Amino acid sequence: GESVGLHLPTLSVQEGDNSIINCAYSNSASDYFIWYKQESGKGPQFIIDIRSNMDKRQGQRVTVLLNKTVKHLSLQIAATQPGDSAVYFCAENPGGTSYGKLTFGQGTILTVHP
Amino acid sequence: NAGVMQNPRHLVRRRGQEARLRCSPMKGHSHVYWYRQLPEEGLKFMVYLQKENIIDESGMPKERFSAEFPKEGPSILRIQQVVRGDSAAYFCASSTTGNTEAFFGQGTRLTVV
Repeated sequence: GESVGLHLPTLSVQEGDNSIINCAYSNSASDYFIWYKQESGKGPQFIIDIRSNMDKRQGQRVTVLLNKTVKHLSLQIAATQPGDSAVYFCAENPGGTSYGKLTFGQGTILTVHP
Repeated sequence: NAGVMQNPRHLVRRRGQEARLRCSPMKGHSHVYWYRQLPEEGLKFMVYLQKENIIDESGMPKERFSAEFPKEGPSILRIQQVVRGDSAAYFCASSTTGNTEAFFGQGTRLTVV
């Protein structure tokens, strides 16, 4: 992906490719992490979550990897489809509070070309 | 099972007017969260409520903004004397408990003219 000035980072892939979206989180005390997908004009849609006692979790076509040493989170989407085009946000829960209180990352625009 | 319902979806207010945003959580959810999203930015936490209680309002501006979640009815985010800088998308999320994932509504897009 490439940064576009002050705008969101972007990732462009071909249909059928695998996509990897990265996120650096800020709080070493965070113990719960979520990836959300947001389509234009819609609310964030839950994709997958992971707790800090795990380093990998798989869902349907998606895998989240957590590296607590370097405070890094990634979302892997297998066989990316045009319907996957959206903005993807990672979010962290700072710990000691409700899981609904989240700090969101900047977001990455994923564009899937047919 | 309907998702989190927010209304209105779009709201236009003149500077100085009041804006009222409503959120009905998912059935069985008693925890509600409000977030604000500016264009090309991530969501910013504003307030966390349970029925009749404000649990955490650390993200709420000190003036003009208030939120409630009454025993009956939806949660309300109220913005008094709106200014142009209040223009944003406001999202509500709900969860069953404090230790489960939160699900978001479709948002209310507030435009102040």
